[in-house]
Amino acid sequence: GQQLNQSPQSMFIQEGEDVSMNCTSSSIFNTWLWYKQDPGEGPVLLIALYKAGELTSNGRLTAQFGITRKDSFLNISASIPSDVGIYFCAGQLAAGNKLTFGGGTRVLVKP
Amino acid sequence: NAGVTQTPKFRVLKTGQSMTLLCAQDMNHEYMYWYRQDPGMGLRLIHYSVGEGTTAKGEVPDGYNVSRLKKQNFLLGLESAAPSQTSVYFCASSYSRKGTVGQPQHFGDGTRLSIL
Repeated sequence: GQQLNQSPQSMFIQEGEDVSMNCTSSSIFNTWLWYKQDPGEGPVLLIALYKAGELTSNGRLTAQFGITRKDSFLNISASIPSDVGIYFCAGQLAAGNKLTFGGGTRVLVKP
Repeated sequence: NAGVTQTPKFRVLKTGQSMTLLCAQDMNHEYMYWYRQDPGMGLRLIHYSVGEGTTAKGEVPDGYNVSRLKKQNFLLGLESAAPSQTSVYFCASSYSRKGTVGQPQHFGDGTRLSIL
C-alpha cells in the first residue's frame, strides 16, 4: 500500500527559530494536508494543498505541494512555545477518499 | 460550534466485553471515518462511510464493525474486545461533492480505550 515517510521524526525548537519538516510518498496524491495534534486532542487541519507546485500560507505556516505530487513540506517561521505538538502530513487521492497519514513529526522545546 | 463529537472520552474494558463508540457530526458531512492511533504509528483507518447506509473497510478493519444509520452518526463497535485494541480512537468527517478534489477531514477529540 501507499507509504508516507515524514521527517524528521522529532525536533527541538528554540523560540524564534524557523522549523521545517517534509513528507515523501512512494506514489502520487492529488491533495496534501497538514495537521497539528496537541496532547489529548484530535488532529486539527493547518493547511490544505490542492495543486502540484502550490505554495500556501496560514499565518506563520507555509506549505508546498511538490511538483512531482509525491512530496510536501511544511515550514513554521519564528516559532513560539505553542508550536509544540505533533505535526502530521496526509495525502489524499480524490474527493472523499481516505487519507494516508505520515508517522508524524514531534516538535519539542529545547531545554 | 460542536463539529465532531465522540463519546465516551475514556473507557476501560475487560477482554471479551463489547462496546460501541459513538461519533456525531453537525456539519452535514457525507463522509465519516474511524481511525486508531497507536504510539509511533500515526493514524490508521479502520472503517469509513461515504454516505448514510454505506460503510467500507479501511486499513485495519479486523475486530471492528460499523454502522451509519443516520447521516450525522457513525458508530464503531467492538464485539469482543482484545488487549491489542487498546488505543486512541478518532472519528473524522468530511464534505465532498462529486467531481471536486478531496476535502479536509475534521477530527473529534478521541476516545481513549484500554482493554485489560
